[in-house]
Amino acid sequence: KNEVEQSPQNLTAQEGEFITINCSYSVGISALHWLQQHPGGGIVSLFMLSSGKKKHGRLIATINIQEKHSSLHITASHPRDSAVYICAVRSSETSGSRLTFGEGTQLTVNP
Amino acid sequence: DAGVIQSPRHEVTEMGQEVTLRCKPISGHNSLFWYRQTMMRGLELLIYFNNNVPIDDSGMPEDRFSAKMPNASFSTLKIQPSEPRDSAVYFCASSFKGMGSPLHFGNGTRLTVT
Repeated sequence: KNEVEQSPQNLTAQEGEFITINCSYSVGISALHWLQQHPGGGIVSLFMLSSGKKKHGRLIATINIQEKHSSLHITASHPRDSAVYICAVRSSETSGSRLTFGEGTQLTVNP
Repeated sequence: DAGVIQSPRHEVTEMGQEVTLRCKPISGHNSLFWYRQTMMRGLELLIYFNNNVPIDDSGMPEDRFSAKMPNASFSTLKIQPSEPRDSAVYFCASSFKGMGSPLHFGNGTRLTVT
């Protein structure tokens, strides 16, 4: 079992729909990252959070430490949101800065 | 700021050749990370530096891989000799104060070893 699991693996939505991508992890963490990788390959850090909720534009990330679960929400989705979304955690049970990555969620938003 | 700059963007080489990937982190960032991404294994941390010092190189696959950071504005990842299984996209990322800050990724180097 992977330490970080994302669901769904693939998601297709129509423009304007509300989207949720989930991330579950099995270790204690000190931080969780949401990354976005565009078809061209570049990776952008969307959020880093250790508790609660963060919002940036149409993107919202939440984390529940007790349940070891995080969600990334996209409101009013747009075709330009099409990308792979990757969840990554930094374990609090090991020293150092190693991140463990989920396998990513491929999102396609159709016009 | 220009962001994290990696070069080259693409590298095609023959098996056995030496490959050098380069990275310029964002000015002021004191942590630098090298990642490798493949279809089979996703993103993997190879090595990271704090203040130019290698902190964790346990992700480096084998002795054929080496990384250096001679100063705060430059790092290299070298593969010698290269093998076809090294084909991947190699990302460099930097941050301020280790992993307590958001990561900023370069555009990656797509390496193909034939």
